[in-house]
Amino acid sequence: NAGVTQTPKFRVLKTGQSMTLLCAQDMNHEYMYWYRQDPGMGLRLIHYSVGEGTTAKGEVPDGYNVSRLKKQNFLLGLESAAPSQTSVYFCASSYATRENTIYFGEGSWLTVV
Amino acid sequence: QQQVKQSPQSLIVQKGGISIINCAYENTAFDYFPWYQQFPGKGPALLIAIRPDVSEKKEGRFTISFNKSAKQFSLHIMDSQPGDSATYFCAATLSGGYQKVTFGIGTKLQVIP
Repeated sequence: NAGVTQTPKFRVLKTGQSMTLLCAQDMNHEYMYWYRQDPGMGLRLIHYSVGEGTTAKGEVPDGYNVSRLKKQNFLLGLESAAPSQTSVYFCASSYATRENTIYFGEGSWLTVV
Repeated sequence: QQQVKQSPQSLIVQKGGISIINCAYENTAFDYFPWYQQFPGKGPALLIAIRPDVSEKKEGRFTISFNKSAKQFSLHIMDSQPGDSATYFCAATLSGGYQKVTFGIGTKLQVIP
């Protein structure tokens, strides 16, 4: 059982370049999330999705776009990367229940130079 | 606005000692309080969780204490081991519709031999 899989694991981008982080979950979860983790800032929600074809903004959505065309996939795009987007990105998913355990991927380390 | 305040941000404990991490919340509508454990290079994973109608929950060496009137909860790790060295996040969840999870800033625990 793979759980939540993120690709790529590491990436270095130049300022202004674009890229897409891919996330796939095999647990048939309704909810999916993208977080970023920065030192001293904890986990901050970028965007989330409550179902196929739906997306919504989290706490820090600026500079990012997302899409959820299939239930099992959630894509995070950076249209024009900035050094401030250097971070570790986590995709996660959960069932739509009250006590929704969130299952995280292993993270994607992104450096923007 | 940080709705879940976590302290300390870092903690060093000797092997065999008790590790204590504290969290305080503001929103009385939160109704589920999980703790996540994150090892270096990995994504966070659910460790233990509690509902507000329970004052304490114990799982092995890990105990959550919950004080509803003070709006505080804490994680105690008894007989701390070097393998417990990780970052711990407290969280609070609002149920109903989309269950937004608010994370604390995280505590980096180091257990030294």
